[in-house]
Amino acid sequence: YELTQPPSVSVSPGQTARISCSGDVLSKKYGFWYQQKPGQAPVLVIYKDSERPSGIPERFSGSSSGTIVTLTISGVQAEDEADYYCQSTDSSGSVLFGGGTKVTVL
Amino acid sequence: QVQLVQSGAEVKKPGASVKVSCKTSGYTFLSYGLNWVRQAPGQGLEWMGWVSPYNGHTYYAQNFQNRVTMTTDASTSTAYMELRSLTSDDTAVYYCARDVSKDWLDPWGQGTLVTVTS
Repeated sequence: YELTQPPSVSVSPGQTARISCSGDVLSKKYGFWYQQKPGQAPVLVIYKDSERPSGIPERFSGSSSGTIVTLTISGVQAEDEADYYCQSTDSSGSVLFGGGTKVTVL
Repeated sequence: QVQLVQSGAEVKKPGASVKVSCKTSGYTFLSYGLNWVRQAPGQGLEWMGWVSPYNGHTYYAQNFQNRVTMTTDASTSTAYMELRSLTSDDTAVYYCARDVSKDWLDPWGQGTLVTVTS
C-alpha cells in the first residue's frame, strides 16, 4: 500500500481515537476517510482532509500535515467500532487506499 | 437521495466471467464517474478502475487492465463491471461507488459477493 495506516487502535468509551495515514501523495493530494462496519459498505466520514459530510457526527474530524493525514474521533462511542480506511489519488488519477485500521472500543 | 443498487450474489467456476450491475438514482447519471472497488474476505479495499458515463472513457488499475471491462447504459442509469478469466483469488465483494470530483467516492453500492469455486 502506498498509504500506510496502523492495523489497529484501541480506545475506551469517551476517550479520543486518532488514526494516522502516511504517504508521499498526501503532500500534494487530499486525504479522505471511510468507515466500514462488518457486512456493510464503506461510508465517507471525512473529505478534503478535514471536511465532514452532512449526517456525520461532529466527533469525527480530520487534519493534515505534510505527508500525514489524521482522523480523530473525539468522545468515542461503542457504535464507532469499525474499520477505517484512508484514501487519496496518485498523479495519474489512480485511487489509492490505505490498508485499513480496526478501531476497537474497549 | 443518491442511491446505488447492485445486482445479487454470483457463484462462478474458475475460468468463467462475471458481470455485476450498479443501478443509480437520485442524481444526473452523466455528470459523475463511477468507480469499482473490491474487497476479498477479511482484506482491505482494492480499487479496480473508473468509467465515465458521459463519454465512456475508462481507466483501469494495472492489476486488472487485461481482463476487466467497465461500461454504462445511460438509458437505465446503470453501470456494469465485467471480469473475465476468474480464479479463486477473485472471490470478493465488489462495490460500485460514485466518483466525486475525481477525488473521493460517495456513496457506495451495497456490494455484490462473487464466489469463484469449482
